[in-house]
Amino acid sequence: EVQLVQSGAEVKKPGESLKISCKGSGYSFTSYWIGWVRQMPGKGLEWMGIIYPGDSDTRYSPSFQGQVTISADKSISTAYLQWSSLKASDTAMYYCARLWFGELSGWFDPWGQGTLVTVSS
Amino acid sequence: SSELTQDPAVSVALGQTVRITCQGDSLRSYYASWYQQKPGQAPVLVIYGKNNRPSGIPDRFSGSSSGNTASLTITGAQAEDEADYYCNSRDSSGNHPFGGGTKLTVL
Repeated sequence: EVQLVQSGAEVKKPGESLKISCKGSGYSFTSYWIGWVRQMPGKGLEWMGIIYPGDSDTRYSPSFQGQVTISADKSISTAYLQWSSLKASDTAMYYCARLWFGELSGWFDPWGQGTLVTVSS
Repeated sequence: SSELTQDPAVSVALGQTVRITCQGDSLRSYYASWYQQKPGQAPVLVIYGKNNRPSGIPDRFSGSSSGNTASLTITGAQAEDEADYYCNSRDSSGNHPFGGGTKLTVL
């Protein structure tokens, strides 16, 4: 069974750093892109960026470029999303999902269960 | 532009047909994918590519596309279909933006 399992909920203070993870299993982790998606409380889905674990090629949404860092460790089939200095506005649920490409299309499946990040003083 | 636009809310009577739309320039070149999200749950893929359903998705869900508009149609809506629905599409710049989402109410 293809699965993405994310790390647990985090509570942090503004200015702190954070790295959350997404571990893939049941498939060749290095052969598929992984995406990260933010969902702020009561709001919609926002695409943040993608990484290809095979060579760590990374693409960022213009909205998130410079705000977060996406990385991967293919030796342990894990992708990461990290912040160097959190803000209260980073409070959100963060999802990872495997990205497929087809003819004239791309789609995210499956999704991780989500990691809730709360930033509060 | 990589923006995708959806109606914020749509309602449908139980057993009737509803169409949820998504508009954007990228849809002239690429197919949309569609996701269902119920409260407190992760999104689930329901339609991808030209009109493909993942295993386990009922055949009452279908997708179509014309010009700059992609549509998700639910034929014979059920109570369990009440959820938020999001479209997504790749664009020529390598971005994968989501639409703002549509809240579907089944009356």
